[in-house]
Amino acid sequence: EVQLVESGGGLVQPGRSLRLSCITSGFTFSDHPMSWFRQAPGKGLEWIGFFRSKAYGGTAEYAASVKGRFTISRDDSKSIAYLEMNSLKTEDTAVYFCASGTFLTFDYWGPGTLVTVSS
Amino acid sequence: DIEMTQSPSSLSTSVGDRVTITCRSSQNINTYLNWYQQKPGKAPKLLIYVASNLQSGVPSRFSGGGSGTDFTLTISNLQAEDFATYYCQQCYSTPPTFGGGTKVDIK
Repeated sequence: EVQLVESGGGLVQPGRSLRLSCITSGFTFSDHPMSWFRQAPGKGLEWIGFFRSKAYGGTAEYAASVKGRFTISRDDSKSIAYLEMNSLKTEDTAVYFCASGTFLTFDYWGPGTLVTVSS
Repeated sequence: DIEMTQSPSSLSTSVGDRVTITCRSSQNINTYLNWYQQKPGKAPKLLIYVASNLQSGVPSRFSGGGSGTDFTLTISNLQAEDFATYYCQQCYSTPPTFGGGTKVDIK
């Protein structure tokens, strides 16, 4: 069974940093791109970025709204993806999801972790 | 970025009804369009990929169609477990973008 579980969310002050983890199992992690999304309270889905598998270059792409502040990485030996978030703003408050699948189709999602940016 | 527009934003309906949700892209995306279902407090669930292909395990009452810039998601014989929010998403190019969602609730 494919499983993805995010962790690391919580309350953080504006300007601080936070790292989220996405622990996966049940599929060949190294073969798939890993993506991150967020959903602000009562709002729609926003893609944050993804990290390609090694076979497709092992590089990352980001949404313009987070580029330069957020960094996605992956550890294929542990089947874990990470989202490092720096210089957090109140508008980054959201539920953050990791997801996997093929290129831009997202078959499997974690349940999400809430990040609240507030003083 | 490709803009995705869904309509309606919400609709009230009854068990057994047929529901159609539309999605329009700001440019031609061929059939590179996915549909997701999301229930409150849960992650999105892939229903249909590449416009008309039913994801494994998804009931056959869900169907998708369209190409180019105009797409539809149809739910036939709506069931109680189908009350949720539905999102379209273009998978044509980066960044992948979503429609604003259509909330289907009970009349």
